[in-house]
Amino acid sequence: QQQVKQSPQSLIVQKGGISIINCAYENTAFDYFPWYQQFPGKGPALLIAIRPDVSEKKEGRFTISFNKSAKQFSLHIMDSQPGDSDTYFCAASGGNTPLVFGKGTRLSVIA
Amino acid sequence: KAGVTQTPRYLIKTRGQQVTLSCSPISGHRSVSWYQQTPGQGLQFLFEYFSETQRNKGNFPGRFSGRQFSNSRSEMNVSTLELGDSALYLCASSLAGGRLNEKLFFGSGTQLSVL
Repeated sequence: QQQVKQSPQSLIVQKGGISIINCAYENTAFDYFPWYQQFPGKGPALLIAIRPDVSEKKEGRFTISFNKSAKQFSLHIMDSQPGDSDTYFCAASGGNTPLVFGKGTRLSVIA
Repeated sequence: KAGVTQTPRYLIKTRGQQVTLSCSPISGHRSVSWYQQTPGQGLQFLFEYFSETQRNKGNFPGRFSGRQFSNSRSEMNVSTLELGDSALYLCASSLAGGRLNEKLFFGSGTQLSVL
């Protein structure tokens, strides 16, 4: 059972554009929603996280939007740069449930 | 502060063998989680240890086991290896002073190939 569904699988964005990755979850007990970035040959690194008491969180060029009623959350990367080209994972946890990950989105930012 | 260290970086084994992977968490972190990463399934939770006790376990067969030592270092073992066990095995540590699994810090993983 996939508890967090992530889309798209891959994404190509022009330099300077907005990259948008979406995730949907099923377990209403989830109350912590992080995004991880994975460089090739490395483990995932925490990028930004949100809790359901806010609908949006912004850190630099990265923004998480959260819709509790729809059980969806998304990552927006503003002014996307070639250096942002990596694999991004959404995740969720809550209660006694360990962190469960989406299947990842491979982002390519082209000049 | 040193990050999460996993050894070895690469392993090649044959079917039926067993393997032990090691993880040293960030100093002061008491929780260690293990994940299996494959292209088809993504990251899947194996188990989590806190203060030498298994606190959570994923949906993997009993061939997968782990333990944590008093210094928080952890090992995972896979017995009777199968071809499908080929994957990147990731270890993550966290303070676990509060909520379960907040702010996981991942190591670079051990790439296991089973021939």
